[in-house]
Amino acid sequence: AQSVTQLDSHVSVSEGTPVLLRCNYSSSYSPSLFWYVQHPNKGLQLLLKYTSAATLVKGINGFEAEFKKSETSFHLTKPSAHMSDAAEYFCVVSDPSGYALNFGKGTSLLVTP
Amino acid sequence: DAGVIQSPRHEVTEMGQEVTLRCKPISGHNSLFWYRQTMMRGLELLIYFNNNVPIDDSGMPEDRFSAKMPNASFSTLKIQPSEPRDSAVYFCASSLQYGGTDTQYFGPGTRLTVL
Repeated sequence: AQSVTQLDSHVSVSEGTPVLLRCNYSSSYSPSLFWYVQHPNKGLQLLLKYTSAATLVKGINGFEAEFKKSETSFHLTKPSAHMSDAAEYFCVVSDPSGYALNFGKGTSLLVTP
Repeated sequence: DAGVIQSPRHEVTEMGQEVTLRCKPISGHNSLFWYRQTMMRGLELLIYFNNNVPIDDSGMPEDRFSAKMPNASFSTLKIQPSEPRDSAVYFCASSLQYGGTDTQYFGPGTRLTVL
């Protein structure tokens, strides 16, 4: 079985400072990993995904994540936060041989002026 | 493309009433998923269809819940009778192919409130 743990339920950063949202995964297989973002009262939007290609994955809106097998981590980063980045972020793992997505509990990102 | 379309966006109903949620997946996508999001349990997969056939409904909480996909462009999730604990946001998602590596595209969700 596969699962993810998002280490912080809330993260607060100042506009223009770096963002780090932490995610550890557990998987019996070579996992596929995703980050989704959910803005208030909106659906989920894919930020980026890792599927066993390059370990550093670049996504939309300046976000990127690095797959570290030795640390079983897939942390999401952005060099400079923007006010519009305030949202809920979900780390997701799936079994490449299956279909089910296993969502983390989410990290709420607050960006202050 | 318009993306995944869900209706209604908001539904308020009374306990015991039947509720039907609707979803139109992205054209050409072969897989469709229904999820439920609550504060307590986060995002949960309810049921998954591939080529209009239900593959896994183990996430459906009770017999009060049922889902259908009569054709490639339409799916419904029905709750009969509804209960207050069914209050949640229900998301529909679709993907091009079967497989855990494929991206799932989510609709905007239906916020259900059962009084």
